[in-house]
Amino acid sequence: AQSVTQPDIHITVSEGASLELRCNYSYGATPYLFWYVQSPGQGLQLLLKYFSGDTLVQGIKGFEAEFKRSQSSFNLRKPSVHWSDAAEYFCAFRMYSGGGADGLTFGKGTHLIIQP
Amino acid sequence: AAGVIQSPRHLIKEKRETATLKCYPIPRHDTVYWYQQGPGQDPQFLISFYEKMQSDKGSIPDRFSAQQFSDYHSELNMSSLELGDSALYFCASSSQSVGGLSWETQYFGPGTRLLVL
Repeated sequence: AQSVTQPDIHITVSEGASLELRCNYSYGATPYLFWYVQSPGQGLQLLLKYFSGDTLVQGIKGFEAEFKRSQSSFNLRKPSVHWSDAAEYFCAFRMYSGGGADGLTFGKGTHLIIQP
Repeated sequence: AAGVIQSPRHLIKEKRETATLKCYPIPRHDTVYWYQQGPGQDPQFLISFYEKMQSDKGSIPDRFSAQQFSDYHSELNMSSLELGDSALYFCASSSQSVGGLSWETQYFGPGTRLLVL
């Protein structure tokens, strides 16, 4: 079955330090991959997405992610985190279907804590 | 830019009551999705609609039903509510008529927080 895994439930990073959040997927072909961020009690905001082409994608708020087919990974990175980046981060996946309104499958999320 | 609108934002119901959640997609978006997020959980896909027709179905309980109307807004109807239905319910929208791959991107609303007592 297709799935997406976020191995880290919690990550603590000092403000100004670099960040990498891991995401692995299980799917026989190239999936559509997304990273969303959720602040407490808030909705889900799209950070970036990968469909095809350049494997390094740039998103909002200074985030980027790299798709690595050989490792079935789509890790999220930021060179220098800010206290406002503290939130829950979800990796999401959907199969390529050539159309249709398929739902997203989310990972369990990674809770990011920023230390002063 | 206009976003997805959900109403109400908060709802408190008793067990066995019914609830109706509404979703107004981004203008010119023709596809709507519903998700349920329990406390401390990841969002779970419930159901989606494209051009008023059900498109994909996830883990939606039989007690729940949904539809999309001619103006593309959608309603999620929940009956015989149970304590376990307490959750944050998200609606997302996308466009399948714009062209390119933009239709693959779902934009989420702020959610409706449902509490069943």
